Amino acid sequence: DTGVSQDPRHKITKRGQNVTFRCDPISEHNRLYWYRQTLGQGPEFLTYFQNEAQLEKSRLLSDRFSAERPKGSFSTLEIQRTEQGDSAMYLCASSLISAMGEQYFGPGTRLTVT
Amino acid sequence: AQSVAQPEDQVNVAEGNPLTVKCTYSVSGNPYLFWYVQYPNRGLQFLLKYITGDNLVKGSYGFEAEFNKSQTSFHLKKPSALVSDSALYFCAVKLESSGSARQLTFGSGTQLTVLP
Repeated sequence: DTGVSQDPRHKITKRGQNVTFRCDPISEHNRLYWYRQTLGQGPEFLTYFQNEAQLEKSRLLSDRFSAERPKGSFSTLEIQRTEQGDSAMYLCASSLISAMGEQYFGPGTRLTVT
Repeated sequence: AQSVAQPEDQVNVAEGNPLTVKCTYSVSGNPYLFWYVQYPNRGLQFLLKYITGDNLVKGSYGFEAEFNKSQTSFHLKKPSALVSDSALYFCAVKLESSGSARQLTFGSGTQLTVLP
């Protein structure tokens, strides 16, 4: 399968712990996006990369959140000192620069903070 | 700022009947409009997009959508619904020339249930 993959698919953690998620985009895609989706809502943009450069971050992305794409391929999203409000589905998507907005999404990582 | 509204949380339709899932948008400029579908335990899948040109856009699985600039709407339609179309549908928008804002802004979703 050559689609977007995310790992892990599910993560349960205790409040205050740090968690890290990984996203592997479609190999030829230059852009990579992170979104957060809570129950009953559409995905909300968190941040995006063009190659290895992080070009935009949402106000939703507090200081406890950090994302990297060190070699312009896979990306990681880390949440430090997790809070119960961080419980959500974290989605990764990728696209070509020329795609005019069409993005391909991974299956997501469901985070539960207890 | 750009925004999307999906006024119906739930749409029920009988199999074989036409279906419509509504979407209106607000942007200060020319919009790019998208429909995505989300099946349980699977990622969002792209259905179709409007960039420019013909207001009626055809997409995957027999779906189509009509762009109406005066009503700022982009309703999703299908002439004959299938039970397998039952899923969560999201409308999304981005500006044509959005500067640094490359992300999609999504609506809250509409759960479509097709009844056998």
